[in-house]
Amino acid sequence: ETGVTQSPTHLIKTRGQQVTLRCSSQSGHNTVSWYQQALGQGPQFIFQYYREEENGRGNFPPRFSGLQFPNYSSELNVNALELDDSALYLCASSLDRVYEQYFGPGTRLTVT
Amino acid sequence: QKEVEQDPGPLSVPEGAIVSLNCTYSNSAFQYFMWYRQYSRKGPELLMYTYSSGNKEDGRFTAQVDKSSKYISLFIRDSQPSDSATYLCAMSHSTGNQFYFGTGTSLTVIP
Repeated sequence: ETGVTQSPTHLIKTRGQQVTLRCSSQSGHNTVSWYQQALGQGPQFIFQYYREEENGRGNFPPRFSGLQFPNYSSELNVNALELDDSALYLCASSLDRVYEQYFGPGTRLTVT
Repeated sequence: QKEVEQDPGPLSVPEGAIVSLNCTYSNSAFQYFMWYRQYSRKGPELLMYTYSSGNKEDGRFTAQVDKSSKYISLFIRDSQPSDSATYLCAMSHSTGNQFYFGTGTSLTVIP
């Protein structure tokens, strides 16, 4: 059974640029949630996708958008990057029982 | 006021000690309560989850939920150096489509 994987591992972008982060969910999982974790803080919920539809959203601006594909892998897109977007971005997958989430290792994004 | 409050520590205990980690919350609609462990530069790992009130035990770990006080706890018995990590509490409504995490408590178990 393959766990949750994320790519890339690290990324450096310039303010104003756009970035796409990718997540492959654990085999058989149909729900993916994305989180932003700033240094020394807990993960902040961005949004959740269930069967290719957005199923819930946290308090993040529209420049944070996502997509889930038929194989349940997912993308997080962030437009017009700001310095405060520098963080560890985590995705977590689950199967229907959405509270039982399994996290990937994260993508560390640095915005300069 | 934050939805979930958690003392960030750091907490340092000798090996073999009983560790108590706690979170408080403000939203009475929360139904699912989770505890995660996160090692440095890794994703969180689900330790335990509880639905509504009550206790749940899994090996050396016990999770407690007191909904009347809006207070949850995680107890670690016979703590080991390998337990040294950041412990995160998390909560969600019954719909399970939005999650709220605490700041995390940093724990060090000294051999």
